[in-house]
Amino acid sequence: AQTVTQSQPEMSVQEAETVTLSCTYDTSESNYYLFWYKQPPSRQMILVIRQEAYKQQNATENRFSVNFQKAAKSFSLKISDSQLGDTAMYFCAFMKGGSTDKLIFGTGTRLQVFP
Amino acid sequence: GAVVSQHPSWVICKSGTSVKIECRSLDFQATTMFWYRQFPKQSLMLMATSNEGSKATYEQGVEKDKFLINHASLTLSTLTVTSAHPEDSSFYICSARDPTGQAGISPQHFGDGTRLSIL
Repeated sequence: AQTVTQSQPEMSVQEAETVTLSCTYDTSESNYYLFWYKQPPSRQMILVIRQEAYKQQNATENRFSVNFQKAAKSFSLKISDSQLGDTAMYFCAFMKGGSTDKLIFGTGTRLQVFP
Repeated sequence: GAVVSQHPSWVICKSGTSVKIECRSLDFQATTMFWYRQFPKQSLMLMATSNEGSKATYEQGVEKDKFLINHASLTLSTLTVTSAHPEDSSFYICSARDPTGQAGISPQHFGDGTRLSIL
């Protein structure tokens, strides 16, 4: 069975600074996908960034980038130039390749951005 | 872009009643939808996978008779909480994936969730 672990329940960062959220996972699969989702106070789930396991290059989306270490089974999220609107819960998620499409979420990290 | 609509957004009802939550894919046909439950300040827990035209696949520990799932069309899945009790109070979220996209390229689209409060 796959597991996703987020070891930081809460993080805080000052506006315009950079913060990194940690995520590790455990799987015996070779084909899989990893995601970071953001859940603001509105509780809407918003996809931040995705990474295909077969790609060595780290994914980037504007101010968001990941550090994907496949051998270490680590998938951290870096947020640069933090903005007040980045305040939210962040969930790391795993999905096995194939047809199941089932997402397995980590426990989440609550990020607070201070002015 | 793809949108998933969930209704109602908030419902309060008395203990013992049944509550139905709808999840609709608005601009794509979803052969598979997912139902999650989220307790306050906790993660999303997958309850079941809803398959169009067939029975839902429930995760271990989820009561099938308590949480009835029906996926009668390619754009609608419903979750009915039967004989609801205060311990069923929670935030329920559905998601769906556009099957025309590759799994990792076109990931799940989430509804806005339903806050269920049982008095």
